[in-house]
Amino acid sequence: AQKVTQAQTEISVVEKEDVTLDCVYETRDTTYYLFWYKQPPSGELVFLIRRNSFDEQNEISGRYSWNFQKSTSSFNFTITASQVVDSAVYFCALSEDDTGNQFYFGTGTSLTVIP
Amino acid sequence: DGGITQSPKYLFRKEGQNVTLSCEQNLNHDAMYWYRQDPGQGLRLIYYSQIVNDFQKGDIAEGYSVSREKKESFPLTVTSAQKNPTAFYLCASRAAVVPYEQYFGPGTRLTVT
Repeated sequence: AQKVTQAQTEISVVEKEDVTLDCVYETRDTTYYLFWYKQPPSGELVFLIRRNSFDEQNEISGRYSWNFQKSTSSFNFTITASQVVDSAVYFCALSEDDTGNQFYFGTGTSLTVIP
Repeated sequence: DGGITQSPKYLFRKEGQNVTLSCEQNLNHDAMYWYRQDPGQGLRLIYYSQIVNDFQKGDIAEGYSVSREKKESFPLTVTSAQKNPTAFYLCASRAAVVPYEQYFGPGTRLTVT
């Protein structure tokens, strides 16, 4: 079974629209970590955010915001006023291991922002 | 600048040849990882190493080998036993302490014909 599900394979939005990327995870551990990464066309994954299971506060960083809800096992990512530079593949990931060695990545959501 | 380097960016090989992908980091990270990325499949873990001279198989280790003789280096060899080696390979590293995020190199795109 998939531990991290990103149901949206591809999304297209027009510049300046808001867009939410969904991430649903599955774990029985009480301590775990969730991550979002951005993969631009160049290929390198860029770390965006880490959230641990004990911190359900939503976070905002500029145009980016994250909504962590343990009740629905979701860790959604919203980009406000999207820009062409936001076009990339976005990956959600889960780490259950306390050492952080075992990462489970979702299959990614490809976001295209149309100018 | 600190970071992870992978070379080369593009690599072409003939079927039946072994090929070694380079990964070097100067972040002083203890743990290093190799992932394979195929279209629509996300990232799959090949091998990881927590300390020098020690490494563990990931989910898809068959047909691959690694070494960890130095903290900074974690080369991956794609052997001729790997049935479908054409893919994008990403190397990552992580500090041993919190935070646990992994940092990635730019990747190597391997094409075997």
